[in-house]
Order: sequence, then structure tokens, then C-alpha cells
Amino acid sequence: DIVMTQSPDSLAVSLGERATINCKSSRSVLYSSNNKNYLGWYQQKPGQPPKLLIYWASTRESGVPDRFSGSGSGTDFTLTISSLQAEDVAVYYCQQYYSTLPTFGPGTKVDIK
Amino acid sequence: QVQLQESGPGLVKPSETLSLTCTVSGGSISGYHLNWIRQSPGQGLEWIGHIYYSGATSYNPSLKSRVTISVDTSKNQFSLRLASVTPADTAVYYCARASIWNDLLLDCWGQGTLVTVSP
Repeated sequence: DIVMTQSPDSLAVSLGERATINCKSSRSVLYSSNNKNYLGWYQQKPGQPPKLLIYWASTRESGVPDRFSGSGSGTDFTLTISSLQAEDVAVYYCQQYYSTLPTFGPGTKVDIK
Repeated sequence: QVQLQESGPGLVKPSETLSLTCTVSGGSISGYHLNWIRQSPGQGLEWIGHIYYSGATSYNPSLKSRVTISVDTSKNQFSLRLASVTPADTAVYYCARASIWNDLLLDCWGQGTLVTVSP
């Protein structure tokens, strides 16, 4: 299995400030034949299901605000919220879909400072 | 807009079979992979398995011996059966449709249903 880890476990950021979440996979999720990273990011608010934000490590899902961006390749990835808004309070998960068994990170909780 | 809704018992006794159905509205399931995922405080998000609308399945090896996923295209529904449950199977169970980009990338989720395994 590909094990996904995230850091930090939680962070508190002032409104309008940048939030950065890291995700690491135990094996590369970069598929060499198409040069795509099989890595997605999800946002989960309390009492709601996860919502897909980003796929292929850096492609925003339709309707996702451009303050959300993803970067990284291979085994190390980052989700950045450039200017935190109150509605961004949530838990964020990374997911690899490289292997036939997709796996998720443990989540990072983002709060307002 | 496509919507998914899970339904089924919220309480299952140990050793019995958990059965859930996901009804898809606002769009056809044809052409899509249809997934089940669960979320518990101890295990986080865990992929259970998926089924293609034509019936081909893939399961999490850790659950494979106990899981059956089936599809009913005439009703736009798919179902999960998990046999021989224990309290460790207590979780919120989600159904989700896979994205057009990849059959393991989940772009549309149901609201989830809590299933408790208890005598």
C-alpha cells in the first residue's frame, strides 16, 4: 500500500493570511508515461462529505476558488490557501490514486487564529 | 446536478451483514465507476471498493473477503454488502462517483450515513 502522511496535524491562520499543508507519499505517484501526478486534495467541513478541490496535484476542480493551489511532484506535495477565508475552516485530505488501492492522508485541520 | 444518497439501517448487530444502497439522481450512472468509502475516527478515510456500471468490481484487499458491491442500472443505484461485521466496522459510509479523469478520483459524494455495529 502507498502510505500518505500529512503535516502539520493542524494549523491556525489569521484571516487573509497564507495556509500551507504538506503531503508525502511513501512511493512516487508520478506516472512517467503521461508525466501526471496521481494526487488529489479534498476539503471536508463538519457534517459534510469530502469535496474534491484539486486533482493531478495542481488542477483545480471546476468552481474551486483560485486561492486554492496545489504543487509538488513525485512524493512531496503542497496545498496552499493564499488568503484564508472564514469558509475555509475545514479538514484537508490528500489522496493518491496511482495504485489500484487508493489511500488518503490522515488530514490537516485548518482553523482561524 | 448529480446527487447521491445513501440509505440503509443505522444499527447492525455483530456477525450480521451491513447492507447499504446508493441512489443516484440528476444523471445516469452509465460510464462511471461507483465507489464506497468509509470514515471512522480510528481509521480515517478508507476506500472499500468500486463497481463499473457494467458490473466489474475492485475491492480493498483488507476487506475483500467480506465485501460485495453490486449495481442496478435500471434503478440508477448501487449497493454495498459487508458481511460478518464487528464494532470495528462502525463508521460513516459514503458512496461516491468517480471523476471522468480517473476511476479512483472522487468528484461527487453522498452525504454519508452512520452505521453503528452493536449488540
